[in-house]
This record gives sequence, C-alpha cells and structure tokens, in this order.
Amino acid sequence: GENVEQHPSTLSVQEGDSAVIKCTYSDSASNYFPWYKQELGKGPQLIIDIRSNVGEKKDQRIAVTLNKTAKHFSLHITETQPEDSAVYFCAATGSGYSTLTFGKGTMLLVSP
Amino acid sequence: EAGVTQFPSHSVIEKGQTVTLRCDPISGHDNLYWYRRVMGKEIKFLLHFVKESKQDESGMPNNRFLAERTGGTYSTLKVQPAELEDSGVYFCASSPTQGEAFFGQGTRLTVV
Repeated sequence: GENVEQHPSTLSVQEGDSAVIKCTYSDSASNYFPWYKQELGKGPQLIIDIRSNVGEKKDQRIAVTLNKTAKHFSLHITETQPEDSAVYFCAATGSGYSTLTFGKGTMLLVSP
Repeated sequence: EAGVTQFPSHSVIEKGQTVTLRCDPISGHDNLYWYRRVMGKEIKFLLHFVKESKQDESGMPNNRFLAERTGGTYSTLKVQPAELEDSGVYFCASSPTQGEAFFGQGTRLTVV
C-alpha cells in the first residue's frame, strides 16, 4: 500500500520567514496530494491540494510543488505569521483514490 | 453550510466498556470516512462508506470496532469492549467526490 513520509516533525521560524515541509510517497499511481492544517482542538482543514497533472499550485502565501519522477511534494509558506502555527499534514491517495494516506505531521511554530 | 460534526468531543471510559462515536457528515455528501490518530502518529484510515454501504473497511483494526451508516446519513463507530490501545482521536470526514475530504473536529477517546 501507499506510504507517506513527512519531514521535519517540528519546524520553528521567525515571523516573516518562509517555511518548507516535505513529503515523499511510495505509490506511483497516486494522483492527488492534499495538505491539511490542524489547529488545537480542531479537525484537519484542507488548505491546498495538487493533482498529478500539475507541477505547482499557489494560493496567496502558500504553494505546493510536486515532482512525480522523484515522488515527492512540498508545502511552501511565505511571510509566515503567528496564526500559521499549527500541525500540518500531507496526504496522498493510493490507486483507489478513495482514501487518504497521511504523513505523521509537522508542528510549525511561528514566533513573533 | 454546516460542516462535519462529531459527538462527543471527548470521552473517557474504562477498559472493557463500550463507547459509541457519532458523525454527521455535510448534507448531500455520499462519501463518509473514519480515521484515527494515535498519539504522535499519523492519521490512519479506518473505513469508507458510500451512502449506507461499506466501500472499504480494510483499516479497521479488529472486530471490536463496528461502524454503521443507516439510511446513508449519519454514522456511528462503536468500540466494544474498549482496550487501552484504542485511545486516540477519531476523525470523521465526508466528501461529495472521492479525494476532497472535509473533516470534523474529532472525538478524543481515552481508555483508562
């Protein structure tokens, strides 16, 4: 089955810096890669996603890149703000496209 | 529009007791998923309903877990009898199309 590795497990940055979280996946048939943000006491919230026919996608301060050959994808957050502090999860769909396989999560701390 | 709602938000039970978790998906979403996150680990898939039918239950850990979705609306996940290792946060998600999942806030289950 699909396996997703996520790094780093924790990331501390100063407000205004950029943050990058990286994930690799194992199933070459995976075709959908969402990123979720989980704040304390809340459920994961979809913040951006990318499909396998696209190499990069941007939405204001966040962007995701996908390298299908290397089977890795990354989340980039620019001009970080304290409210960006949360746990971020990457995920991938396996060949069934019906369930998500998640990475272990990255705790991002943005200091003012 | 109401999001995915889960009840209860927290549950503390003794080993050997029974607990039932409930999920109300977004209205009109045929797909309903249960996931679980054990402390510090990744969010893991448990099972997937399409309307009232179990599409994939390959992630259910053992026969102490029983999920139902009568009438294709809300779903329940029963754990009977609960064991210590069942502790974690149980998430429900729903989607109108496969892959784009919206999550509830989760139920934190503690078995003591």
